[in-house]
Amino acid sequence: GESVGLHLPTLSVQEGDNSIINCAYSNSASDYFIWYKQESGKGPQFIIDIRSNMDKRQGQRVTVLLNKTVKHLSLQIAATQPGDSAVYFCAENIDDYKLSFGAGTTVTVRA
Amino acid sequence: DADVTQTPRNRITKTGKRIMLECSQTKGHDRMYWYRQDPGLGLRLIYYSFDVKDINKGEISDGYSVSRQAQAKFSLSLESAIPNQTALYFCATSAPPSNEQFFGPGTRLTVL
Repeated sequence: GESVGLHLPTLSVQEGDNSIINCAYSNSASDYFIWYKQESGKGPQFIIDIRSNMDKRQGQRVTVLLNKTVKHLSLQIAATQPGDSAVYFCAENIDDYKLSFGAGTTVTVRA
Repeated sequence: DADVTQTPRNRITKTGKRIMLECSQTKGHDRMYWYRQDPGLGLRLIYYSFDVKDINKGEISDGYSVSRQAQAKFSLSLESAIPNQTALYFCATSAPPSNEQFFGPGTRLTVL
């Protein structure tokens, strides 16, 4: 079956360094992707999105890259801060406004 | 004030009991969703509703039912809870043409 998945379940980053979180997807028909951040005890929160007609999109301290050739999505966080510690999910729009979520990557920021 | 609220936030129940989880939203969105989150599995869609008269099964609807009482309210029921329904449950909303979904704070359900 087709699914969205993250390469690594955990990532430990030194405060101030850049973080890169990866996601592989297999549905070549997906036209929209979202990154969510989930802090402990809270629901997922939108970080940034990208449509399939784009390769890159930048937000505040975050950049999403989309490589449709290899069906790969990444989230880059610049100058990682303690408040960035959370679980990060990628999601793809699979059909009629339904999202399919990956398993998540837990990011831990070391002081 | 939170735009998407869920009640209760935590619930412990016993096998065989009927449980209802409630979701309310003040965002004015037509579309509402119920997800289940298990460790290592991400979020899986249980049911979704695109308006008050529309109910659709998601990928894991067995053992669950829903009711869309109003545009702002979408409840999830477990008719006879079983231990493998122990999980975090999230409600979400969205409004076309955006695909973005807005999530509630979640309900932690434990079935003993």
